[in-house]
Amino acid sequence: GAVVSQHPSRVICKSGTSVKIECRSLDFQATTMFWYRQFPKQSLMLMATSNEGSKATYEQGVEKDKFLINHASLTLSTLTVTSAHPEDSSFYICSARHSGGADGEQYFGPGTRLTVT
Amino acid sequence: AQTVTQSQPEMSVQEAETVTLSCTYDTSESDYYLFWYKQPPSRQMILVIRQEAYKQQNATENRFSVNFQKAAKSFSLKISDSQLGDAAMYFCAYRSAGGGYALNFGKGTSLLVTP
Repeated sequence: GAVVSQHPSRVICKSGTSVKIECRSLDFQATTMFWYRQFPKQSLMLMATSNEGSKATYEQGVEKDKFLINHASLTLSTLTVTSAHPEDSSFYICSARHSGGADGEQYFGPGTRLTVT
Repeated sequence: AQTVTQSQPEMSVQEAETVTLSCTYDTSESDYYLFWYKQPPSRQMILVIRQEAYKQQNATENRFSVNFQKAAKSFSLKISDSQLGDAAMYFCAYRSAGGGYALNFGKGTSLLVTP
């Protein structure tokens, strides 16, 4: 149990276009999901916290107009990278907090590799 | 803000031997959680072990155990009987007990296991 999926697993897009990444909790409800960004050989950096039915909370330095987050249901959050540029190329990982789990246990998706050409 | 420091960018251990990965953190909170995550080449984050700060007893999970020193703000991971499949990046992470539930990660330690 407690599986989180991400789609797509990898995507290549052209500079200036937008790309949407989905994060789904498959067998549990998640009122809160998190989006992280990981550059090669580096750690995970929290980008934003996504709460179902309300606006996302962005970390300092993350452009909310560039990284649009929508958490429309208890099992789905989406991250849209708008007007993507090569510097947005990275590995994006989501995690979902199990609403019914002990101490709000988090489960991670497998990540999405974004390459902007 | 809480900071998590992993001072060992890389570690190496021979198969069947024991290795300890270090982690220190800085916080003014009294209640929090600490975690070790494993990230193999697949990039999937896997929870290895967690520790609640209010528990004095060190957490253990099979071959994995921690040495939690609250006063020293230290949280090391010991891997016993190392296996080739243990080779991965290991991240130490901190989470506050109240509020947002977001994880604050250290920079990671790359563990190499040699036959």
